[in-house]
Amino acid sequence: DTGVSQNPRHKITKRGQNVTFRCDPISEHNRLYWYRQTLGQGPEFLTYFQNEAQLEKSRLLSDRFSAERPKGSFSTLEIQRTEQGDSAMYLCASSLEGQTDTQYFGPGTRLTVL
Amino acid sequence: AQSVTQLDSHVSVSEGTPVLLRCNYSSSYSPSLFWYVQHPNKGLQLLLKYTSAATLVKGINGFEAEFKKSETSFHLTKPSAHMSDAAEYFCVVTPDTNAGKSTFGDGTTLTVKP
Repeated sequence: DTGVSQNPRHKITKRGQNVTFRCDPISEHNRLYWYRQTLGQGPEFLTYFQNEAQLEKSRLLSDRFSAERPKGSFSTLEIQRTEQGDSAMYLCASSLEGQTDTQYFGPGTRLTVL
Repeated sequence: AQSVTQLDSHVSVSEGTPVLLRCNYSSSYSPSLFWYVQHPNKGLQLLLKYTSAATLVKGINGFEAEFKKSETSFHLTKPSAHMSDAAEYFCVVTPDTNAGKSTFGDGTTLTVKP
């Protein structure tokens, strides 16, 4: 399967702990996006990368959130000092520059903060 | 700035009857518009996209959408609903000049009654 993959699929953590999620995009895609989706809402944009450069960050991305894409391939999203409000589905998508940004989504990582 | 409004949070139809899911958008740029579907516990799947070519766009599973610039609308239709169409549907706008930040609507839940 050459689609977007995300790990882990589920993460349960205690408030105050740090968590890290990984996203592996479709191999030839140079753009990678992170979104957050809460129950009953559409996904909200967090940040995106073109190759290894982080080009845009949402104001939703507080100082506790950091994303990296060190070699322009996989990406990680880290949340430090988790809060109950961070509980959500975290979605990753990738696209190929020049294809009108058709984004292909992974299955998501569901985070539950107790 | 850009925004998306899905005019109905829930739509219920009988199997075999037409489906209409409404979406209005606003964008400072010539936008690209998308419809995605999300089945329970599944990832987001692209249904169709509009990218400034033909205004009537055909997608997968018999869905189509018409871009109407004068009405700033991009409504999704299907002539005959199938039970398997029951899902959450999201309308998405991306500014054509800067692929990156996509804005999702809040979603429309489609229920199909036998």
